[in-house]
Order: sequence, then C-alpha cells, then structure tokens
Amino acid sequence: AQKITQTQPGMFVQEKEAVTLDCTYDTSDQSYGLFWYKQPSSGEMIFLIYQGSYDEQNATEGRYSLNFQKARKSANLVISASQLGDSAMYFCAMRGLMDSNYQLIWGAGTKLIIKP
Amino acid sequence: GAVVSQHPSWVICKSGTSVKIECRSLDFQATTMFWYRQFPKQSLMLMATSNEGSKATYEQGVEKDKFLINHASLTLSTLTVTSAHPEDSSFYICSARDPPDETQYFGPGTRLLVL
Repeated sequence: AQKITQTQPGMFVQEKEAVTLDCTYDTSDQSYGLFWYKQPSSGEMIFLIYQGSYDEQNATEGRYSLNFQKARKSANLVISASQLGDSAMYFCAMRGLMDSNYQLIWGAGTKLIIKP
Repeated sequence: GAVVSQHPSWVICKSGTSVKIECRSLDFQATTMFWYRQFPKQSLMLMATSNEGSKATYEQGVEKDKFLINHASLTLSTLTVTSAHPEDSSFYICSARDPPDETQYFGPGTRLLVL
C-alpha cells in the first residue's frame, strides 16, 4: 500500500530563513511521482513542485526545491528565504505513474507560520 | 499554467435542497477530474474520479446517489449534493489533470453550509 507521512503538524519559522518540510513515502511501485502543494487560508490548492522517481536531479522551482533521497524514501520541500506569504498548509502527495486512475495519495499536511 | 475554476465559491442552503458545484478547466482539456472533500484541519479526502463520457468512480463509503457527478465535456464536471443535510457541510474542491502532465490542478474550492 502507498502511504505519505508528514511528521511535522506545525512549524514556526522566522522570516527570511530557509525552511525544510519533511515528507517520507512508502510504495512498492518502481515508477512514481511526488508533489508538493500549498494551501493558504483561502482554501485553494496551489501546485508547487514535482519530482519523478527517475529524475536524477532534484526539482527546483524558484524558491522551492525538493530534496529527493530515493534510498531513504524522502522528498522534503525546501523553501529558501521565507516570506510572510509562505504561511500556509503544505501537503506532500504521491502517485504511482503506472496507476491509470491518476489518483494522489496525500499526507496529513504541515502548517507553516512565518514570523516577522 | 493550467487554470481550473470552480463555482460557486460559497453556498448556504436549507436542509433538503440540492446544490450543484461546477468545475471547469479553462485553458486545457481534462479527460480526468477529481472531487475531494476536506474537513477543517485535515487533508484532502478523495470522493470520486470523473472521466469524460463515462460514469464516475466513487471511493468506498461515498454515496453515489447522494453525490452525483457528471463529466459531460472535456472542460466541465459537476458535483450535485442531493437533499443536502447539515453533515454535508464541508469544503469541496475539484482538480483536473492536464495530460500529458502528471500534475493535478485545483479549483479554488466551494464552501458548503447546510442549515
């Protein structure tokens, strides 16, 4: 069975500091994708970054990077130079790329609060 | 980037009425759309997977007759909450897959309050 674990229910980080949000996963699939989404208080789910299991390089998108450690089955999100607007819930998700349903398995989320 | 709209964003209704929520992919054709429900401070719970032109696939425990899903075109899926009751009050959010991209793009969500 596939599972996503986010062990940090909440985090407080000082503005301008870098922050790492943890995500570990469990799957027997050989080919899978890992996603991070941001959910501000407004409720919308904003796609941040994607990492495929066969991608050799860690994904980066602006201030977001994904620290992918395949052997450890971890896909931590790193946000550099945090801003007040980064305060939100962050969800890690996964799907098996051979899964014809394209369904995502979701973590419980981490609430990030950036302090001024 | 891929944009998904959802309407309405807020709805308050009386118990026993039906509520229709629309999910549209604005700049791409979505063969697959997903409907989620989210309770406060919890993660997303998948309700059903909707494929254009075919019946939706519901997750275990989701009542098909309660939550009617129609995916009549490549850009529109609708969720109808029939005979809504207070326990149906929740945040409902849809997503659409933009092939061949692996990513699901989400609508802004609909907050439903049943009185």
